[in-house]
Amino acid sequence: GQSLEQPSEVTAVEGAIVQINCTYQTSGFYGLSWYQQHDGGAPTFLSYNALDGLEETGRFSSFLSRSDSYGYLLLQELQMKDSASYFCAVRDLNDYKLSFGAGTTVTVRA
Amino acid sequence: GAVVSQHPSRVICKSGTSVKIECRSLDFQATTMFWYRQFPKQSLMLMATSNEGSKATYEQGVEKDKFLINHASLTLSTLTVTSAHPEDSSFYICSAQGATNEKLFFGSGTQLSVL
Repeated sequence: GQSLEQPSEVTAVEGAIVQINCTYQTSGFYGLSWYQQHDGGAPTFLSYNALDGLEETGRFSSFLSRSDSYGYLLLQELQMKDSASYFCAVRDLNDYKLSFGAGTTVTVRA
Repeated sequence: GAVVSQHPSRVICKSGTSVKIECRSLDFQATTMFWYRQFPKQSLMLMATSNEGSKATYEQGVEKDKFLINHASLTLSTLTVTSAHPEDSSFYICSAQGATNEKLFFGSGTQLSVL
């Protein structure tokens, strides 16, 4: 099975940078993904890392270290609309099922 | 990007009734769809994996006779909550696998409230 740990809440001001860490345990690692979910909405895909290193997509970047079973999502130039829950998720190599962490609620203040 | 349509978005029903939720992939064929359940402020919990033309695979602790899944075509999967009870009230979300294994595309979710 899989287990993931991420912080439950983060609060920051507009324009700031936030890093959300995620550590995971899985029997067969296929990749680490990040999803964003606004209140009452569906999760939307943000990024995916299968190999070590940093993936940059606009203001959001994601990092993976497979040897440390660790990754993070970096949110830069925070905007009010970034207030949401962010989930890390790992895909199992054996059955491709995606398991989600508990989620980190990011609150952006003016 | 790929679009997954889920209906209804919200349903309120009486205890003991059955509710059907539909999940459609609008612009791609999805051989595999996943059904998740989410309680307020909690994570998404995988309920079952729906495969086109075959029986669904349920996660441990999920009653297959209570949560009936049918994946009759490459674009449609349905989840029927049978004999719903108040404890079944939750946010149900379907998702479909894209062309690669990198991402899932999620439906907009169904908020089920059982009175």
